[in-house]
Amino acid sequence: KAGVTQTPRYLIKTRGQQVTLSCSPISGHRSVSWYQQTPGQGLQFLFEYFSETQRNKGNFPGRFSGRQFSNSRSEMNVSTLELGDSALYLCASSLVGGDYEQYFGPGTRLTVT
Amino acid sequence: GDSVTQMEGPVTLSEEAFLTINCTYTATGYPSLFWYVQYPGEGLQLLLKATKADDKGSNKGFEATYRKETTSFHLEKGSVQVSDSAVYFCALRREGAQKLVFGQGTRLTINP
Repeated sequence: KAGVTQTPRYLIKTRGQQVTLSCSPISGHRSVSWYQQTPGQGLQFLFEYFSETQRNKGNFPGRFSGRQFSNSRSEMNVSTLELGDSALYLCASSLVGGDYEQYFGPGTRLTVT
Repeated sequence: GDSVTQMEGPVTLSEEAFLTINCTYTATGYPSLFWYVQYPGEGLQLLLKATKADDKGSNKGFEATYRKETTSFHLEKGSVQVSDSAVYFCALRREGAQKLVFGQGTRLTINP
């Protein structure tokens, strides 16, 4: 079974631009969560989607948004990029309804210059 | 709010040494507890988990016991290998939720 895939793996953007990251969950997984990993703040929860609906959101500004499609694939968007948005963005997918493990993708490394 | 505190790293050990990485948590209710490992350039992999008090999670020689009385979930391994070099994260998840709350991570380096 294929794992969680994230595209692109690496991205360089300029301040003020916007960016879209993509995550394809493991087949059959309908919950997708996003996390930001930085050296200073560690791993922080961004949001979780299930059945195309955002179920939970972390403490991030409105510049960070996401969506989920009917095939469970998810995208996250960051508008008006700031230098502090440079991070590894991790996506995780899981089954729902029980104590299921979350499987993480390799991440997208975003660098804002 | 919920939080996880790990011992600060980096931790450097010799091969075959005994490993302990401390983890304590603050949370209401009965969260599930996890240890994740991150190898260079990769995402997170679940190492082990425990879902209720006194449960012991184990995998690949690593163990951790859910201690509700001390709100701890310390990671141990009796004899580490060079291949165990990685960053280790302790995490909790509230009952019924998907959101993981992570500790700050502990970088472990094992020298031959």
